[in-house]
Amino acid sequence: QVLLLQSGAEVKKPGASVKVSCKTSGYTFSDSYIHWVRQAPGQGLEWMGWINPITGDTNLAQTFEDRVTMTRDTSITTAYMELNRLTSDDTAMYYCARKKFLEYFDPWGQGALVTVSS
Amino acid sequence: QSALTQPRSVSGSPGQSVTISCTGSRSDVGGYNYVSWYQQHPGKAPKVLIYDVTNRPSGVPDRFSGSKSGNTASLTISGLQGDDEADYYCCSYAGSYKFVFGSGTKVTVL
Repeated sequence: QVLLLQSGAEVKKPGASVKVSCKTSGYTFSDSYIHWVRQAPGQGLEWMGWINPITGDTNLAQTFEDRVTMTRDTSITTAYMELNRLTSDDTAMYYCARKKFLEYFDPWGQGALVTVSS
Repeated sequence: QSALTQPRSVSGSPGQSVTISCTGSRSDVGGYNYVSWYQQHPGKAPKVLIYDVTNRPSGVPDRFSGSKSGNTASLTISGLQGDDEADYYCCSYAGSYKFVFGSGTKVTVL
């Protein structure tokens, strides 16, 4: 069974950084990209970018190019998303999702709630 | 990249059919046959319903179907059931290995 297990909820102050992890299991880590998607409270889904688990190459949505870093640790089949210079607008549920080439986002992690508040 | 445009809400009675539109541009929906649809129940992660415009992953009921015409993709739910009450999102490839989601549609079963 393919599973993506994300780290827990975080509360951060404006200007701080947050790093969310996504532990994968049940499949070969190298055969799928990991994508990150966020959802602000009561709002829609927003694609953030992906990481290639083999090379570590990333591709970010323009909105996040200067504030997001995506990394991975192949030894523990875990992907990470770090968001810097947090503002209240970054309060959201952050999801990781597996995507095989030419396929779809599946499965998704359970989400990690990040709250930015002074 | 702006979100794809979906109606804010649609509704139907049990057994009826509803269709959700997803309008983009030639840079995304109209330019590629890589549109997928996701269902999200409150407090849950999204689940895929349709990929590559018309394909259903195994396990997804054939009550869900997808299509595309020009810059607009559509998801049709036939034989509406109570559990279909959820939010639905389209997603399209947008070139340069990037993706864009729709604004989301809330489906209400009357």
